[in-house]
Amino acid sequence: DVKVTQSSRYLVKRTGEKVFLECVQDMDHENMFWYRQDPGLGLRLIYFSYDVKMKEKGDIPEGYSVSREKKERFSLILESASTNQTSMYLCASISRDRVGPGGYTFGSGTRLTVV
Amino acid sequence: ELKVEQNPLFLSMQEGKNYTIYCNYSTTSDRLYWYRQDPGKSLESLFVLLSNGAVKQEGRLMASLDTKARLSTLHITAAVHDLSATYFCAVTFPNTGNQFYFGTGTSLTVIP
Repeated sequence: DVKVTQSSRYLVKRTGEKVFLECVQDMDHENMFWYRQDPGLGLRLIYFSYDVKMKEKGDIPEGYSVSREKKERFSLILESASTNQTSMYLCASISRDRVGPGGYTFGSGTRLTVV
Repeated sequence: ELKVEQNPLFLSMQEGKNYTIYCNYSTTSDRLYWYRQDPGKSLESLFVLLSNGAVKQEGRLMASLDTKARLSTLHITAAVHDLSATYFCAVTFPNTGNQFYFGTGTSLTVIP
């Protein structure tokens, strides 16, 4: 019954590496979002996408990029990982017309550590 | 500025007691959501509140919305240990698409 799947629960990467975080949803949702979650800071929006090949910057896009080549997949890319990107990354999706009562459906999260 | 404020940040309460978490937002909203997050887990939807005066209840949790005050509350009745988690409110605003604006979360610990 998994609906939003993030490819890795835990990742450890080295400073300077290019990192790919994958998110796949099977609900045919148009809108997808990437957040990072840090203690005391809540959830901060990195990038979002309203549809295939569309992307919009969120509040903290620096150091990140995204790709949305297919409707079901939204990838977050850390161009050159740095230690301040150590965080929990959450993917979420929602239909354009917000069908369903629960708002976003979240993935299980990826805890990334950059060493 | 579109802003959502939540308090308290941390809440430690004894089993059996009642308490309220507050969520304020800066301007007219579309919808307001409450989520729960267990340690190391993702967020799960609890409630969505659509209009002024809306009230939703499930078990020991009750959420309400006052759009005139731009305030939602999550009331916990007779707390039990299983309610220990972090609770987030999230708001959508007009003309911002489906972008959710989150509060900073309230970390609730229920002590036996």
